[in-house]
Amino acid sequence: GAVVSQHPSRVICKSGTSVKIECRSLDFQATTMFWYRQFPKKSLMLMATSNEGSKATYEQGVEKDKFLINHASLTLSTLTVTSAHPEDSSFYICSAREDYGYTFGSGTRLTVV
Amino acid sequence: GQQLNQSPQSMFIQEGEDVSMNCTSSSIFNTWLWYKQDPGEGPVLLIALYKAGELTSNGRLTAQFGITRKDSFLNISASIPSDVGIYFCAGTTNSGGSNYKLTFGKGTLLTVNP
Repeated sequence: GAVVSQHPSRVICKSGTSVKIECRSLDFQATTMFWYRQFPKKSLMLMATSNEGSKATYEQGVEKDKFLINHASLTLSTLTVTSAHPEDSSFYICSAREDYGYTFGSGTRLTVV
Repeated sequence: GQQLNQSPQSMFIQEGEDVSMNCTSSSIFNTWLWYKQDPGEGPVLLIALYKAGELTSNGRLTAQFGITRKDSFLNISASIPSDVGIYFCAGTTNSGGSNYKLTFGKGTLLTVNP
């Protein structure tokens, strides 16, 4: 089946630094990928839709300059959390759309100290 | 935007019991998906439904796409301890350019007592 690899699985960074999270589709091409944020015991909240070769589409209330998305190839999308603050600490999950559904990465636990 | 109402929020059952959870919406959905999420992991697809009325099984799991296209249920039969986790329904609509976005329910936390 389709596999989406997300790295890193955990990252701790200092306030003010930037963190990049990678999402790769391993055995299929994904023209569309999605980035979600999940708070403890809550559902997934869509942050943005990442389109290969074009600008990402951000959901209302999500700062595009804060959460930079790049989808430079059909198998890779990256989310960069810029100038991270403790309130950015969260679980970030990517997914890729393929023929029969949506496959999710294993998530990245970001802790900003 | 679209909202999915998922119930129950949580369930505590004994091993061997059957479980049922459902999602409803005021909007028509053209795809219903059921996912399970373990702590610290991404959601894993359990069952995908694409046609109104469709009933699909995956081992001990059965899910149906409601005939009105506004609801879906997931049943788990003969539960086992490893069924513990959070179950999410999700769906897509054809509403105004949001073809490919998934809308998630709030999840059902399942606890199975051995």
